[in-house]
Amino acid sequence: EAGVAQSPRYKIIEKRQSVAFWCNPISGHATLYWYQQILGQGPKLLIQFQNNGVVDDSQLPKDRFSAERLKGVDSTLKIQPAKLEDSAVYLCASSSLLAGGLNEQFFGPGTRLTVL
Amino acid sequence: KQEVTQIPAALSVPEGENLVLNCSFTDSAIYNLQWFRQDPGKGLTSLLLIQSSQREQTSGRLNASLDKSSGRSTLYIAASQPGDSATYLCAVHTGRRALTFGSGTRLQVQP
Repeated sequence: EAGVAQSPRYKIIEKRQSVAFWCNPISGHATLYWYQQILGQGPKLLIQFQNNGVVDDSQLPKDRFSAERLKGVDSTLKIQPAKLEDSAVYLCASSSLLAGGLNEQFFGPGTRLTVL
Repeated sequence: KQEVTQIPAALSVPEGENLVLNCSFTDSAIYNLQWFRQDPGKGLTSLLLIQSSQREQTSGRLNASLDKSSGRSTLYIAASQPGDSATYLCAVHTGRRALTFGSGTRLQVQP
């Protein structure tokens, strides 16, 4: 079974530029998550999708971040314009909610963003 | 708001030692708890998932326990090896099924 795929793996941009990240979840997983992990911290949820609908985007800085999941499969996360504090690893995860509440999440390798 | 704390933040041990990593959470109304391993520059690898109705899970040299009422979990690593060196993250599943993470314990096992 293929895992969660993300691209690019690394990205370096200047502040005020825009950037986009792509995620392809595990086949059949209805739930997709984007997390931001700043160096030395644990990942923090940015947005959660159930199929192509947003479940939780309460921690997404909507003035500069946007995300979509067209057709309920792949997802893109965009930052425009980027700030220095956006330098982080952006992790995508997916899960399949099974009966009984088991909801194991599987993570991709992440995209490391550096904003100069 | 759920908060997850991991102690210690960093740990260095000689090879072969048994060790315990601690995780505490403020809201005991959780669905599951997951322990992850993260290698430098890599994503997260799930090690163990404990459902809220369970008290422990084992996988090889790893054993994770859960005490929901006191808001605590421990990850026990037996006979540590240099290959165990990584950051270990504890995360709890909240009401909307997303994960709330601790900041991790950075483990170094000396050969």
